[in-house]
Amino acid sequence: DAGVIQSPRHEVTEMGQEVTLRCKPISGHNSLFWYRQTMMRGLELLIYFNNNVPIDDSGMPEDRFSAKMPNASFSTLKIQPSEPRDSAVYFCACAQGGTKNIQYFGAGTRLSVL
Amino acid sequence: AQKITQTQPGMFVQEKEAVTLDCTYDTSDPSYGLFWYKQPSSGEMIFLIYQGSYDQQNATEGRYSLNFQKARKSANLVISASQLGDSAMYFCAMREDYTSGTYKYIFGTGTRLKVLA
Repeated sequence: DAGVIQSPRHEVTEMGQEVTLRCKPISGHNSLFWYRQTMMRGLELLIYFNNNVPIDDSGMPEDRFSAKMPNASFSTLKIQPSEPRDSAVYFCACAQGGTKNIQYFGAGTRLSVL
Repeated sequence: AQKITQTQPGMFVQEKEAVTLDCTYDTSDPSYGLFWYKQPSSGEMIFLIYQGSYDQQNATEGRYSLNFQKARKSANLVISASQLGDSAMYFCAMREDYTSGTYKYIFGTGTRLKVLA
């Protein structure tokens, strides 16, 4: 299995532009998570889906952020409009359920908003 | 109150020696899981080891072991025979399980480990 695949790996954009981050989870993993990591705030959970349904989006900072999971193999996190304070590494993770329910992370997308 | 506390922002260890990274947690739920992740300078988050709240024995995975003391609510990571490649940030995390069937993962602030040659 290729693991969790995130694209792009790096994104540089200007303030006000729309940014779309993509994630392909491990096949068969029914939970998907979006995290944001910054030096100041550490690793923050933004949203998580179970069986493609959003379960907890309390971590989504504001209406500029939205996430979708149209099917079991694809999710997007969109920021519109982007702001410099959105600069961070965004991770997608997935979990299979079961007793251990271990999260496996993608390599992350490093976003820079100028 | 912090749910996951890692009190050591940074640690040094000599190559080939063992090192313990501390983690304490706070939950009132009987069912939970504890995890350690490694984040090298390249940035990816690598799963290392898991301990379930009902597990009687401490988890081990190769050179990694988890010193689980339930009464003290601690889940320290022990790395034996440190290698230069162990230099990284290490995160402790907890999964809280809710009766609704949902759950939440909470991460600590991390400990940066530097292995010295």
